[in-house]
Amino acid sequence: DTEVTQTPKHLVMGMTNKKSLKCEQHMGHRAMYWYKQKAKKPPELMFVYSYEKLSINESVPSRFSPECPNSSLLNLHLHALQPEDSALYLCASSAGGAGGSGELFFGEGSRLTVL
Amino acid sequence: GENVEQHPSTLSVQEGDSAVIKCTYSDSASNYFPWYKQELGKRPQLIIDIRSNVGEKKDQRIAVTLNKTAKHFSLHITETQPEDSAVYFCAATTYGQNFVFGPGTRLSVLP
Repeated sequence: DTEVTQTPKHLVMGMTNKKSLKCEQHMGHRAMYWYKQKAKKPPELMFVYSYEKLSINESVPSRFSPECPNSSLLNLHLHALQPEDSALYLCASSAGGAGGSGELFFGEGSRLTVL
Repeated sequence: GENVEQHPSTLSVQEGDSAVIKCTYSDSASNYFPWYKQELGKRPQLIIDIRSNVGEKKDQRIAVTLNKTAKHFSLHITETQPEDSAVYFCAATTYGQNFVFGPGTRLSVLP
């Protein structure tokens, strides 16, 4: 299994809602990432978990809250988002620790629209 | 931190011609350089990568070259086909750090 699975594929939420994005991989990868991608832009790192510990937080607003319940799962909890947070949210994983240990495997993404 | 620049931002070629995309990076400690292809509405997918101990790598119609001294690396696609049309991102990283992506190149292969 070389897949990173993300749910939901599409999410529409209001600014007062609380929702979560979920990501799962069963490749034994020990680094998992959340990226945000706006149209016609490269993926922009939000968070990195390495061996289930948060190792990088790129100054993301607290309305985004990551969680890594175990080595296969990664969640992104969303609360009080703004319309400018509308984007494609990509989960990725890589073998070993974070960074240059090897290929980033991306999920298909969750397309978020904040009304 | 690492900074990656990528040129050109858009590239149009005739089918069968070659395409070259160039990236430069700033952190001499970076040691892994992947290239990702992203088709419209899809996830980025790795097409080729190179590590800092190698100068060139080839996979069928795709090749990547790395010049560590000048801190730049390039993607070469030969005999382009319409299905090569996509956005291509280069990236640079060091073990334990973030993957930093270039801004992307939109490649159009004209039939």
